[in-house]
Amino acid sequence: DQQVKQNSPSLSVQEGRISILNCDYTNSMFDYFLWYKKYPAEGPTFLISISSIKDKNEDGRFTVFLNKSAKHLSLHIVPSQPGDSAVYFCAASYLNSGNTPLVFGKGTRLSVIA
Amino acid sequence: DTGVSQDPRHKITKRGQNVTFRCDPISEHNRLYWYRQTLGQGPEFLTYFQNEAQLEKSRLLSDRFSAERPKGSFSTLEIQRTEQGDSAMYLCASSLSAGSYGYTFGSGTRLTVV
Repeated sequence: DQQVKQNSPSLSVQEGRISILNCDYTNSMFDYFLWYKKYPAEGPTFLISISSIKDKNEDGRFTVFLNKSAKHLSLHIVPSQPGDSAVYFCAASYLNSGNTPLVFGKGTRLSVIA
Repeated sequence: DTGVSQDPRHKITKRGQNVTFRCDPISEHNRLYWYRQTLGQGPEFLTYFQNEAQLEKSRLLSDRFSAERPKGSFSTLEIQRTEQGDSAMYLCASSLSAGSYGYTFGSGTRLTVV
């Protein structure tokens, strides 16, 4: 029973263009969402988060959008750079915090082509 | 501070043997988490601590698994009578209890049960 779903296992984008990674969730009790980036042989690295009281959060080239009615969030990376090539995980929490147990999706592998 | 350290990085063991992993969190972080990641999946929550208290255990944590954080600093995860299905990457992470910036993960311990 996947409560957090990332339906695209992989995505290829040209350098300089926008990357859009999508995530859907089924549990309406989730109220805090995070994105993590993972390079090979390293642990995941926190990227950006959003509380359910917001619909957008921006940090430099990274923006996360939340559509609660659709139970959908997306991560936009603009402009994409080759160093962004990694696996991106969407995660969700019940307790309005990133510092609690999280439910992760399966990840989307992003390849940014120079 | 060099981040979250996990030891060993790799462990190969025979089925039925016991194994123990160690995690050293970021020194000022009072929360410590254990996750397991198998191929093609996102991290799955196992358990977490606030200081030395174990606050929650996942149903994934069978009786063969035990975790400790005796003095609220480093933590150990022991698996008794290992099975082939225990083969996975075991990730440790730490955070403060306050704030919303997500965890800091270690690079993980890869366990192979043969």
